[in-house]
Amino acid sequence: EIVLTQSPATLSLSPGERATLSCRASQSVSSYLAWYQQKPGQAPRLLIYDASNRATGIPARFSGSGSGTDFTLTISSLEPEDFAVYYCQQRSNWRWTFGQGTKVEIK
Amino acid sequence: EVQLVESGGGLVQPGGSLRLSCAASGFTFSSYEMNWVRQAPGKGLEWVSYISSSGSTIYYADSVKGRFTISRDNAKNSLYLQMNSLRAEDTAVYYCARVRREDYYMDVWGKGTTVTVSS
Repeated sequence: EIVLTQSPATLSLSPGERATLSCRASQSVSSYLAWYQQKPGQAPRLLIYDASNRATGIPARFSGSGSGTDFTLTISSLEPEDFAVYYCQQRSNWRWTFGQGTKVEIK
Repeated sequence: EVQLVESGGGLVQPGGSLRLSCAASGFTFSSYEMNWVRQAPGKGLEWVSYISSSGSTIYYADSVKGRFTISRDNAKNSLYLQMNSLRAEDTAVYYCARVRREDYYMDVWGKGTTVTVSS
């Protein structure tokens, strides 16, 4: 099973700052990686798929990059509604796995 | 509006059973694969089970294999998860999620239903 490790666990930033979140896979997933956003009491929302493609309706301040085993989600300028938990996710051999999440909190 | 609505959660004793349902609307349910994903209190997301659009192909996470059964009724636009031999560690919010046909990412999620396994 491919394990995804996210860092940092918590990111404390102010609105307007840039957020950089990392996801590392235990083996190559090529570009088959997604990012989800989850706010308290809500379901996850697909943000980025195939490592760098924004899902429908996702603002341009969200961007993804990487391939192989190292991936990054960048939020260029944090808006108040961006403070949430972010998960990376991959699928291989008919198993979907998620990272443990990065919480982006208001500093 | 594309929507998934889960139901059937509740409090159950260890060893008990529960059947979750997920009602789909706003899209052609029979054309989509579906997943169940759960989230234990204060924890991350864990994939539970997958079912193909026809129901002919099914996969389970090792943690639930042999205890949970996924199924669907395309005529009723509904997805199900039969959970037997429940354990305390099955306590979680259970989400149903639509799986995109082209790349298997999950693009539509329900709001979840809470399952609590406790005596």
